[in-house]
Amino acid sequence: NYVLTQPHSVSGFPGETVTISCTRSSGSITGNYVQWYRQRPGSPPTSVIYEDDRRPSGVPDRFSASIDSSSNSASLTISGLKTEDEADYYCQSDDSTNLWVFGGGTKLTVL
Amino acid sequence: EVQLVQSGAEVKKPGESLKISCKGFGYSFSTYWMAWVRQVPGKGLEWMGIIYPGDSDTRYSPSLQGQVTISVDKSISTAYLQWSSLRASDTAIYYCARPRGDGSGSMSFYFDYWGQGTLVTVSS
Repeated sequence: NYVLTQPHSVSGFPGETVTISCTRSSGSITGNYVQWYRQRPGSPPTSVIYEDDRRPSGVPDRFSASIDSSSNSASLTISGLKTEDEADYYCQSDDSTNLWVFGGGTKLTVL
Repeated sequence: EVQLVQSGAEVKKPGESLKISCKGFGYSFSTYWMAWVRQVPGKGLEWMGIIYPGDSDTRYSPSLQGQVTISVDKSISTAYLQWSSLRASDTAIYYCARPRGDGSGSMSFYFDYWGQGTLVTVSS
């Protein structure tokens, strides 16, 4: 079993670039795909990144993601920040026991 | 268009039983796994369990095993999550979510569709 750790909050001004990290506590971050979900208040999560760095249809290319094996972490980067990006963001990967493992979530505030 | 439509909000007392549902539209329900995910208000997401409607193969999160039962009625494309005796700590929003697959029963660990959520409130 492992834990995915995210910062509680990040913020940025419109037009800026923000990055949200997701650090895996044990085992290699490259061993299992990482997904990222956005959840606006009162709505279910929706995917913004799957399989480490792939964007679902309809997600703008302002959203990108990467994997860094040296820090054993994944990162979600949102460029050209818009007010509509304000939401909670969750990383997610998988595990042989718990199957789905979610990070604790990061609240993105657009200032 | 794929849709997962969940049953409405519920208010229950501790000790009562409950069964909530998730109906799939727009795809071959029997050949895609279906999961349940819990979210305590103001908190994060927690995977609860998963079921394959084709043969009712079910897996549970080790932390929740025995506390809930996941079932399915593939004849009406509906998955269920049920409790025999609710506790106040079961108060949460419950989402059904479909792992992406290819319709053959294979599954990835990526949820490509989510239901709208069912709020369950347990209070005396």
